[in-house]
Amino acid sequence: AQSVTQPDIHITVSEGASLELRCNYSYGATPYLFWYVQSPGQGLQLLLKYFSGDTLVQGIKGFEAEFKRSQSSFNLRKPSVHWSDAAEYFCAVGPWDTGKLIFGQGTTLQVKP
Amino acid sequence: DGGITQSPKYLFRKEGQNVTLSCEQNLNHDAMYWYRQDPGQGLRLIYYSQIVNDFQKGDIAEGYSVSREKKESFPLTVTSAQKNPTAFYLCASSIRTGTGGIGRDSNQPQHFGDGTRLSIL
Repeated sequence: AQSVTQPDIHITVSEGASLELRCNYSYGATPYLFWYVQSPGQGLQLLLKYFSGDTLVQGIKGFEAEFKRSQSSFNLRKPSVHWSDAAEYFCAVGPWDTGKLIFGQGTTLQVKP
Repeated sequence: DGGITQSPKYLFRKEGQNVTLSCEQNLNHDAMYWYRQDPGQGLRLIYYSQIVNDFQKGDIAEGYSVSREKKESFPLTVTSAQKNPTAFYLCASSIRTGTGGIGRDSNQPQHFGDGTRLSIL
């Protein structure tokens, strides 16, 4: 079955510390992968996407993600977290032709001052 | 500025009542989507439309209906058959996918509205 798993429901980090949010997927075809961020009561904003090519992709707000086919993972990273990064983060995977995305359950990030 | 507008922001439904959530976009996108978001479950696809006058069911279409009479608009009706409608509903749009084969124009990122929160009275 096609699925996306974000193993960490809630993560707390100190401001200035590094961050890694995990995403594992199960997908039968070539995956197209996305990370989105959601602030409370709002819609989702795209952080970055991976289609092909370089497996390390850069996104907005200083985020990056690395695609590892052998591990079926697409983990999101940031070297130094800011208080404004506190939000919910969603990993998503989809096919190339329909735009139908499968979302993970989300990871809520809390940032300690 | 281009974007997606969802209205209303908050909506209340009485038992046995149908309600319609509005979604309008001025991004000139062909594809539009409706998602339902429940705590701890991420987003689940209700319906999607790749072009005007055509739409397909997503994973949880039962109790919902849509129409796509105009490119800019993709309203979602939550019918009385939907027994647990309390949720946060998100509309999204994207450039039409799959028209150029696998490659850079495939599965374009979706742009999201700010959502409608539906509750039962």
